[in-house]
Amino acid sequence: NAGVTQTPKFQVLKTGQSMTLQCAQDMNHEYMSWYRQDPGMGLRLIHYSVGAGITDQGEVPNGYNVSRSTTEDFPLRLLSAAPSQTSVYFCASSYTSGVAYNEQFFGPGTRLTVL
Amino acid sequence: AQSVSQHNHHVILSEAASLELGCNYSYGGTVNLFWYVQYPGQHLQLLLKYFSGDPLVKGIKGFEAEFIKSKFSFNLRKPSVQWSDTAEYFCAVNPLNYGGSQGNLIFGKGTKLSVKP
Repeated sequence: NAGVTQTPKFQVLKTGQSMTLQCAQDMNHEYMSWYRQDPGMGLRLIHYSVGAGITDQGEVPNGYNVSRSTTEDFPLRLLSAAPSQTSVYFCASSYTSGVAYNEQFFGPGTRLTVL
Repeated sequence: AQSVSQHNHHVILSEAASLELGCNYSYGGTVNLFWYVQYPGQHLQLLLKYFSGDPLVKGIKGFEAEFIKSKFSFNLRKPSVQWSDTAEYFCAVNPLNYGGSQGNLIFGKGTKLSVKP
């Protein structure tokens, strides 16, 4: 299994540009999520999905869109990039949600810079 | 809203010193608990996890953590640190039976550990 994969690894955008960060998992996990990591802030949840066709907002959803058309893929879209979205983005997945013995697996991250 | 507090922002130790990193959370119900480590330039790796049972859990690389339910704490320990332990450490809590987003992890802000050779 490849686990959780993310592309691209690095990206530089100009203010106002749009782009999609890709996330895929091959573990047949129901639950997927996106976090952003900023210095001194830990990881904060952007959006999450408990299954194909179901998404919901996390702590910091503004400026981001998600969709979940398949179990495997959970792309994160930046609609109009802003410098405040400069961050490292992590995708994660787990078999299910809200139960004991449930561990999330993280992808390698995408480092995004918005100029 | 639920929260996770890591008391130390930056800890500096010499090699062979003992380590204890504090983590407290605010949820009063059942939780899954995790410690992750992030080495410079790398992604998150799971150090250890607690789901139930023995409150003293052992993880990789000689780390352990103790869950004290009455104190809402999950402190990370290592008896003797090495230079290679230099990294950032994150405590994370998954509150169960809490609202609709039960799978979500709540992270602390992290503790940077610098180990001097």
